[in-house]
Amino acid sequence: DTAVSQTPKYLVTQMGNDKSIKCEQNLGHDTMYWYKQDSKKFLKIMFSYNNKELIINETVPNRFSPKSPDKAHLNLHINSLELGDSAVYFCASSQRDEKLFFGSGTQLSVL
Amino acid sequence: GESVGLHLPTLSVQEGDNSIINCAYSNSASDYFIWYKQESGKGPQFIIDIRSNMDKRQGQRVTVLLNKTVKHLSLQIAATQPGDSAVYFCAENMQGFQKLVFGTGTRLLVSP
Repeated sequence: DTAVSQTPKYLVTQMGNDKSIKCEQNLGHDTMYWYKQDSKKFLKIMFSYNNKELIINETVPNRFSPKSPDKAHLNLHINSLELGDSAVYFCASSQRDEKLFFGSGTQLSVL
Repeated sequence: GESVGLHLPTLSVQEGDNSIINCAYSNSASDYFIWYKQESGKGPQFIIDIRSNMDKRQGQRVTVLLNKTVKHLSLQIAATQPGDSAVYFCAENMQGFQKLVFGTGTRLLVSP
């Protein structure tokens, strides 16, 4: 069973569109995250949620809106996609500030 | 040898060699450190962690060393294998803060 699963694996879309990425974890963790990895492989935190509450928002444009319906799910909705949003987005989960478990990533390409 | 260019620093080793990947962390208040391995097309995978009350921790074929005085972390991989080829990241966290901050990564290339 996959511990942290995110869909889709690939997302190709036009500028200006709105898209969502879904994430689910079956580890029973109380904290979930979104990270963005750029073309230079740099991994940067975007958001973290603890028990459905937003804990960290790292000055991400408000076109990005995370939603956590329950503590096992953290979805990422992106409005008005821009070329610079092209990256790999990783969902992760952890038990409080312990080690993170990552999903396999969603490669977003904005054309 | 090790080289730093416009992209990821790369460490090239021969199969069977021991590899050492270094990392300088930024926050002197960080008290928890993790090494991750990322293979192409996959998410980062946990390798080993260490807390600031220790200066060395060993796993299977891997050892992490922590030098808090100079804010330096290293990952040693014994008898490196082609399957160890990947990008390796160090990450730091501060107790009570759910924000793991990643270093820039080092690409390890293992040739047979």
